[in-house]
Amino acid sequence: GAGVSQTPSNKVTEKGKYVELRCDPISGHTALYWYRQSLGQGPEFLIYFQGTGAADDSGLPNDRFFAVRPEGSVSTLKIQRTERGDSAVYLCASSPRMGGNTGELFFGEGSRLTVL
Amino acid sequence: GESVGLHLPTLSVQEGDNSIINCAYSNSASDYFIWYKQESGKGPQFIIDIRSNMDKRQGQRVTVLLNKTVKHLSLQIAATQPGDSAVYFCAETGASNTGKLIFGQGTTLQVKP
Repeated sequence: GAGVSQTPSNKVTEKGKYVELRCDPISGHTALYWYRQSLGQGPEFLIYFQGTGAADDSGLPNDRFFAVRPEGSVSTLKIQRTERGDSAVYLCASSPRMGGNTGELFFGEGSRLTVL
Repeated sequence: GESVGLHLPTLSVQEGDNSIINCAYSNSASDYFIWYKQESGKGPQFIIDIRSNMDKRQGQRVTVLLNKTVKHLSLQIAATQPGDSAVYFCAETGASNTGKLIFGQGTTLQVKP
């Protein structure tokens, strides 16, 4: 597709369950970012991939959160033992960024996670 | 720590007027700044960006001003239209060289017809 695609768009789960959120970046974009956005707040950085490797995971709140990008394209954010405080919109962004240059991030529409 | 903030949570303007949205940032090491627009239920959308070696950049109906002395960023929207109603976020790179952006809290722009 032309833009960043995220699935599911909405996910409702129960406390303690495991969830996976998927991001399909713009074709050819090497950099991929996950952000979390709570209601009324700006997006908060979670993790950044350059290619297949997590280059910066300093924003992951705890070890219940994990993300992978095994082939350098699609990424999956995994949340174990979900808690009500995990409820938020999870945004994925990609960028053609290479060689250390900073540029625009292209965002998907997000996956809204609700933990009951 | 690193933080980016906006001065006003809500800005209400009349259609056709100019809008100015302000942003203060704290990290003098930031070398890239960007404004995003976010409509309800959608992801942030790029509006305009500016690098730290510039103090002004113009786009179509939008202008970004950067004042590094006081660490202030502003977004000016000319002839504001109803379609401009959204939440606007400024973002900076901070001290990181990973390309990640640090976002402010956002300003809601309401355009009255």
